[in-house]
Amino acid sequence: AQSVTQLDSHVSVSEGTPVLLRCNYSSSYSPSLFWYVQHPNKGLQLLLKYTSAATLVKGINGFEAEFKKSETSFHLTKPSAHMSDAAEYFCVVSVNTGFQKLVFGTGTRLLVSP
Amino acid sequence: EAGVTQFPSHSVIEKGQTVTLRCDPISGHDNLYWYRRVMGKEIKFLLHFVKESKQDESGMPNNRFLAERTGGTYSTLKVQPAELEDSGVYFCASSNTGDSPLHFGNGTRLTVT
Repeated sequence: AQSVTQLDSHVSVSEGTPVLLRCNYSSSYSPSLFWYVQHPNKGLQLLLKYTSAATLVKGINGFEAEFKKSETSFHLTKPSAHMSDAAEYFCVVSVNTGFQKLVFGTGTRLLVSP
Repeated sequence: EAGVTQFPSHSVIEKGQTVTLRCDPISGHDNLYWYRRVMGKEIKFLLHFVKESKQDESGMPNNRFLAERTGGTYSTLKVQPAELEDSGVYFCASSNTGDSPLHFGNGTRLTVT
């Protein structure tokens, strides 16, 4: 069965410093992986999606993620954090059934200090 | 275009009562999903509609939950009778095709006391 593990429940960074949110996946075949973000009192927004076309995936708001099969990882990074990046981030894998049956990680709350 | 809309945004009910949550998907989106996040847990899939048909309801926790999508437009999720463990945030999402990205609503926060 497909699953994802987010290694940190909270990550704190200072504005202007790099962001690293870690995610490991488990899948019996080449997975579809996503990162979603939820800002307070808002819906989930898709940041980026990996579907085997390229291992480095660029998303919105300067975020990117690299698919590493050897490490079964899909970590999310951003070179320089902004205050508006403070939110909860979810690593997600799609069960390959032809529609979006998503399996979510437990989430990582990103805190950005001035 | 208008996004996915969910009503109400918050609901507080007593154990044993009935609550109905509503979701209006993006116009033209045939695929509609319900997910929920109970306190302290991860977001989990409940079910998936294509138009008015349930394609997969394997995530529905028990028979106290009933989802409908009459006419293939908006959907309702009824919990009857509500239990304490039903508290959480219920998300609705829609998509144009089966494998296109999901658009999520802001969720309904349900509190059962």
